Order: sequence, then C-alpha cells, then structure tokens
Amino acid sequence: EDQVTQSPEALRLQEGESSSLNCSYTVSGLRGLFWYRQDPGKGPEFLFTLYSAGEEKEKERLKATLTKKESFLHITAPKPEDSATYLCAVRLNAGNMLTFGGGTRLMVKP
Amino acid sequence: EAGVTQFPSHSVIEKGQTVTLRCDPISGHDNLYWYRRVMGKEIKFLLHFVKESKQDESGMPNNRFLAERTGGTYSTLKVQPAELEDSGVYFCASSQESKGGVAFFGQGTRLTVV
Repeated sequence: EDQVTQSPEALRLQEGESSSLNCSYTVSGLRGLFWYRQDPGKGPEFLFTLYSAGEEKEKERLKATLTKKESFLHITAPKPEDSATYLCAVRLNAGNMLTFGGGTRLMVKP
Repeated sequence: EAGVTQFPSHSVIEKGQTVTLRCDPISGHDNLYWYRRVMGKEIKFLLHFVKESKQDESGMPNNRFLAERTGGTYSTLKVQPAELEDSGVYFCASSQESKGGVAFFGQGTRLTVV
C-alpha cells in the first residue's frame, strides 16, 4: 500500500535555529513529490515539486531535497512568519491525485 | 489571476440534511479535484474531473456524496443525507497539465454535521 509519513508531527524552533522536516514514502511509481505550506483556516499553498532523486529546489529560507525513499525540507534561519503546517504529497504513475502525509506543524518563536 | 474559490467557507447542518459545496477552479484548468480532511487525519482524495468528466472517483466514501462539474467549469459536491462522520474540511484543487500539473488549492469549506 502506498504510504507517505511525515516527521516530526510538531516542531518548535527558536528564530534563527535551522532544522529539517522529513517526508518518507513507500510508493510504486513516483511521478512527483510536492511540498505545500498550510496556514490555519487556509488551503495548502504550493511550495515545490521534485521529480527525481538528487533534485533540489530552493525558495528563500526553504530548500527541498529528494532521495529514492524520502524528501527533506530544510529551513535555514527560520522566522516567526515561517510558522505553519508543512505538507508533503506524492503523485503516482497511476492516477493524477495526490497522496498526502499527515503534515509537520512548525512553530518558530521570536 | 484569480485562485481557486470555494463556497461557503463554513457550513453547520443537522444530521440528515443536505449540503452543497461549490468550487470555482482557476480559469482554464481542465483538472479539478476534491479532497477532504477529517479531524486528526491527513488530507484524502475524493475524486477527479477532467473537464466535465469524472476521471477517478475512487475516493468517494459512499453514495451519499454526489459531485458534478457543469460544462467543465465550476463543480459542486452534494452530501445527502449528511451524517456526523462527514464533518471535516473539504478542499477543492485545480491544475493544468501544460503548466506542470501542480494542484492549486482553495481555502476549503469547513463542514460541521451536528
């Protein structure tokens, strides 16, 4: 069965304290891995798509990487406004829908 | 460019009543998806339209849920009759394959069945 697992479930950081969020997946035929950010009361907001192992993408303080079994979202020197739930989702060769992980709730304290 | 819009943002109904959720996708997006998040669980796929046709409805929980997409534009998701376990946040997303197939989400409709 296709599975996407995110860890940790929650993460508290001090402003400026860099860390990484993990998304591990067990799927047959990965067509793409997506990272989204979700703020309370809002829908998921697209951040990155990764398609093949070794690929990396960056946006401001965020950097996403992909291996054959997992993806990491690295947050460098986070700020309080980076506080949100970060969602990982995979798109498989069979079908167009996304299979989501449970998310990591990130809290950055000033 | 306007994003995905969902109506209403919140709905509270009694068990046994009917509720209709609406989604207006990004203009020009052929793909439209419905997802749902119930309390404490991850976001789960419900169904996928390509234009006005249902491409995949494997995630629909039962026949109390009916989705339509009129003329390949907006979509509605009707729950009839609603049960307590239908409570959750319903998200709509749209995408266009020619733009990488990235799904853009609406803000969601929070449905509470009491």
